[in-house]
Amino acid sequence: SYMLTQPPSVSVAPGKTATIPCVGNDIESKIVHWYQQRPGQAPFLVIYYNSDRPSEIPERFSGSASGNTATLTISRVEAGDEADYFCQVWDGSSDDPYVFGPGTTVTVL
Amino acid sequence: QVQLQESGPRLLKPSQTLSLSCTVSGGSMNSGSYYWAWIRQPAGKALEWIGRMYIGGTTNYNPSLKSRVTMSADTSKNQFSLNLTSVTAADTAVYYCASLSGTYALKWGQGALVVVSS
Repeated sequence: SYMLTQPPSVSVAPGKTATIPCVGNDIESKIVHWYQQRPGQAPFLVIYYNSDRPSEIPERFSGSASGNTATLTISRVEAGDEADYFCQVWDGSSDDPYVFGPGTTVTVL
Repeated sequence: QVQLQESGPRLLKPSQTLSLSCTVSGGSMNSGSYYWAWIRQPAGKALEWIGRMYIGGTTNYNPSLKSRVTMSADTSKNQFSLNLTSVTAADTAVYYCASLSGTYALKWGQGALVVVSS
């Protein structure tokens, strides 16, 4: 089945930009979504279809994909952005089509 | 807006059957807008899709769990359920129910920690 990798952790100072990669074979040809999960809470969709944002998500959150890497970018990072972030790929050719990355913990310094 | 809430036993012994229900509020499961799914997350590990169902349509399961999993729905109660048989310690996880908008999980329940221990 399709595999995704993410770095375990990313640290960023407040006001700076956090970049969270999600690596998978030819991921730019896949549909990629991103979720935020704060400690003790359920995941929450922040980016869908690679770069679309739900209406309640700030413009500071953006997504992109190129080659084997999809990227979630958080601009002007705030303390409230501290959370785990998971990428998820839809692999429609597989019997296991909802594939999640292992997650990246974003720490705001 | 649709809300989901898991319920069911949280402590099981090996070989028992895990049974969880998800109550959907704020919308009808019969609306045809969503798939209804179960996803789990072992401590410190990645999320794992268990299965999804479409009311009046198909049900799909993760091949790695297919032999042990059954999903069902009671639309009169606006609930859907998960049965996972012959559980082991490896099935210890937080179990989430979710609404799927095709390729992504739009809304998640709060999650239910299920522990399998002798």
